[in-house]
Amino acid sequence: AQSVAQPEDQVNVAEGNPLTVKCTYSVSGNPYLFWYVQYPNRGLQFLLKYITGDNLVKGSYGFEAEFNKSQTSFHLKKPSALVSDSALYFCAVRDMNTGFQKLVFGTGTRLLVSP
Amino acid sequence: GAVVSQHPSRVICKSGTSVKIECRSLDFQATTMFWYRQFPKKSLMLMATSNEGSKATYEQGVEKDKFLINHASLTLSTLTVTSAHPEDSSFYICSAQGTGPGDTQYFGPGTRLTVL
Repeated sequence: AQSVAQPEDQVNVAEGNPLTVKCTYSVSGNPYLFWYVQYPNRGLQFLLKYITGDNLVKGSYGFEAEFNKSQTSFHLKKPSALVSDSALYFCAVRDMNTGFQKLVFGTGTRLLVSP
Repeated sequence: GAVVSQHPSRVICKSGTSVKIECRSLDFQATTMFWYRQFPKKSLMLMATSNEGSKATYEQGVEKDKFLINHASLTLSTLTVTSAHPEDSSFYICSAQGTGPGDTQYFGPGTRLTVL
C-alpha cells in the first residue's frame, strides 16, 4: 500500500535559518508526491508537487522539495524561514491503486519559527 | 492555484438535526471530490470519494446513511450529516481534483461543525 511517513511531530527553527521538514514514502510504481500547508482553522493550501522530471521542485512562498529516489524521500525545504511559515505541514502521495487516485497523507509536522 | 469554496464555514446545531455542507470548485471542473474529517491536532481522515453523477465511495468505518454525499455537477458536492450528535462535532474539509494522475487536489477552507 502507498504510504508516507513524517518522522517529526514538530520542527523548531529560528527566523532567518534554513528549514527542513522530512517526508519519506513507500509506493509501488512511480510516486506522485505533494506538500500542503495548513494554518489554524483553515483548509490545506497546496505548496508543490513532484510528478516527473527535475528532482528539485520549486513551489509557493519560497518553498522547495527534493525528490530522492534512492532514499525514497521528499523533504520540504526553505532557505530562510519566516515567523509566518509557522503552520502544520502535510506530505502526501497519490494512491494510484484506486480508481479515484486519492491522496494518502502523513501525520503532519508542526513547524514553529521563532523570532 | 484553483479555488474551492465551502459553505458554511461554521455551523452550530442541536442534536438530532441535519446539516448540509456545500463544496464548490469555482474555476475548474472537478471530476472527483473528496470529503475529509479532521480532529484537533490530527491528520485528515478521508471519509468518502465522490465522482460526478455516481454514488460516493465510503471509507471503511464511515456510515453512508449518516454522512450523505451528493455530487450533482462537476462543480458542486454536498455532505449532509443526518441526525447529528455531539460526537459528529468536527472540522470537515472538502477537496476537488481533475482526472489526471498529476492533477493537484485543491482543498476548501473547511467547515467547523458543533453539535450541542
